[in-house]
Order: sequence, then structure tokens, then C-alpha cells
Amino acid sequence: QKEVEQDPGPLSVPEGAIVSLNCTYSNSAFQYFMWYRQYSRKGPELLMYTYSSGNKEDGRFTAQVDKSSKYISLFIRDSQPSDSATYLCAMRGNTGGFKTIFGAGTRLFVKA
Amino acid sequence: GAVVSQHPSRVICKSGTSVKIECRSLDFQATTMFWYRQFPKKSLMLMATSNEGSKATYEQGVEKDKFLINHASLTLSTLTVTSAHPEDSSFYICSVPGTPSSGSQLDTQYFGPGTRLTVL
Repeated sequence: QKEVEQDPGPLSVPEGAIVSLNCTYSNSAFQYFMWYRQYSRKGPELLMYTYSSGNKEDGRFTAQVDKSSKYISLFIRDSQPSDSATYLCAMRGNTGGFKTIFGAGTRLFVKA
Repeated sequence: GAVVSQHPSRVICKSGTSVKIECRSLDFQATTMFWYRQFPKKSLMLMATSNEGSKATYEQGVEKDKFLINHASLTLSTLTVTSAHPEDSSFYICSVPGTPSSGSQLDTQYFGPGTRLTVL
């Protein structure tokens, strides 16, 4: 079993839709959870990060962490064609330095 | 956030040659940098942690004699793929750990734009 599982998609939605992206994980030691956005042939850029369980909202983006279920989500409201990218979840624990484990990424297409 | 650059952005080389990739932290000093490799539709795979002034720490399964890392200054780390072969073709990305944002205990990573290596 992989430490982090993420459906690679692709996920195609119409403009304005609410998008839900998810990851599951197996290591209960993970405490920090991140979402990165990666455009084609570019490096990932940090979108959201949360510590432990709970929700965090930033504009059209909401990150949710449910540690009891080992499940994290990223919601995108009012999706735009410019949101079309690959979204990678990432997580790490308190030990081991910055050893961050990434999901495979979900490719999202938002159609105008 | 931090600005990280990589050079070159893409390189095509013949099998057997060596290729050097540079990673620069443009707006702050970084004692640590990370090197990742990414295959299409696959997750980022950490190759090694580059430490300024000391040897890099390689992840299990990564050949240190093949992927030479030099962190010569607080703003520059280089990855040299020695005697490259077609199976080394990949997208190589470096990252720099960031400083905590105000009010947060979290650190995160700022990624460079990546280098696409194609070995013929």
C-alpha cells in the first residue's frame, strides 16, 4: 500500500463547478498537509497548507483534513479555466526533517 | 514565498555524457535544498537532500555516484547526472525549504520550475 493515494484523473468539469480533490494516506504520524498546484512543465507551487485536522479557507479554495479517516480534501469553488492544472497533495510528520510524501497528482481540466 | 530558479529548463544530450543542473535560491539563503525526480503521471520522488558545506543525503535506491550533488554556497546547489542513459530522462525539480509565514508554525517548500532532461 502506498503511503499516499491520489486518483490521477483526469477530472473534467465545466467552468463554475465546485471541484473536489482528495487524498488518502496510511501513516498516522503525518501532521502537516499541503496542496500544490503544478502547471504543465512547471514546478509545483504551494496552494494550501494545514496542520492536523480541520478546515482552512483561502479565497475559492478550502482544504479539509480528517485525521481520523486519514483523508484530506481540496475544494475549489467557482472553478475557472485557469485552474486547469495538476494538483498534488503532500504531507509529512514532525520528525525526519522535511521528508515530504507526495501524491501522484490529479489532473484537472476546467472547460470554458 | 521564495523564488527558486533552475538552469537549464530543458536539455537534450547523448547517452554517456554528463549533465549539470543548477538550482538557485534567489531571495534568501538556503542551507538545505532538495532534489526531486518526476515521471509523467507519477508523484515527485525525493532523490537527495543537499546540505551546504557537507555531503548530500541520498534516499534509498538513489546512486550517489551517478547523481552528484554539490551545495557550494547558500544560494546554489547543483545536480550532475553522470554518464547519462535514456532511463535517466525525466523532469528534475529542486526545492528550498521556506521560512514560517507569520502566525504559522509550518515550513514548506518552494519549488524551482524544473529541468526536463532527455537522453538520446
